[in-house]
Amino acid sequence: GAGVSQSPSNKVTEKGKDVELRCDPISGHTALYWYRQSLGQGLEFLIYFQGNSAPDKSGLPSDRFSAERTGGSVSTLTIQRTQQEDSAVYLCASLLRGRVTEAFFGQGTRLTVV
Amino acid sequence: AQSVAQPEDQVNVAEGNPLTVKCTYSVSGNPYLFWYVQYPNRGLQFLLKYITGDNLVKGSYGFEAEFNKSQTSFHLKKPSALVSDSALYFCAVMSSGNTGKLIFGQGTTLQVKP
Repeated sequence: GAGVSQSPSNKVTEKGKDVELRCDPISGHTALYWYRQSLGQGLEFLIYFQGNSAPDKSGLPSDRFSAERTGGSVSTLTIQRTQQEDSAVYLCASLLRGRVTEAFFGQGTRLTVV
Repeated sequence: AQSVAQPEDQVNVAEGNPLTVKCTYSVSGNPYLFWYVQYPNRGLQFLLKYITGDNLVKGSYGFEAEFNKSQTSFHLKKPSALVSDSALYFCAVMSSGNTGKLIFGQGTTLQVKP
């Protein structure tokens, strides 16, 4: 696609429910990243995909968080048993690996856990 | 460990005046440095990057940044601020390890007043 697309743009969920956030990267971009932006925490790295594998998932805050990528394209970030502290904006980015270049970001999914 | 610091939470300037948003970094090896801007309810937009070469880097919307190795700084500048420049600005360093992962500063809110 023309840019990185994320859905939904907003999600309100009840505490304890599971949520899935979707990212559709720029076509041909082999690397995909998830970041979380929360008040007082800035932007924090969650997970990195190269193709369909995730060589760096060091930023996932707990085992309630998981992510997958299929076909070297779309990625889904799943949060199980959501907690209020999970409320944040979740940003996805992609870039073309092989050279040092800028990442392109989606508009984010604003997650609110009530 | 690699890190980025943006010492100012907010910068206020009058329209037409020059602006500077400060960033310092700590990395091992060669630093790959980036500036991104975030407008309300939007994702991050790339402004400029330093990979190698000239210390003065020019980017989008008239912004530039000066890489200073001795001071480990990468301050963002613009000669004449516009009200429309008001936004949240993030400095970032690409981590070592060839993953493309970005480590962000806490962000600086720029407020340009008419």
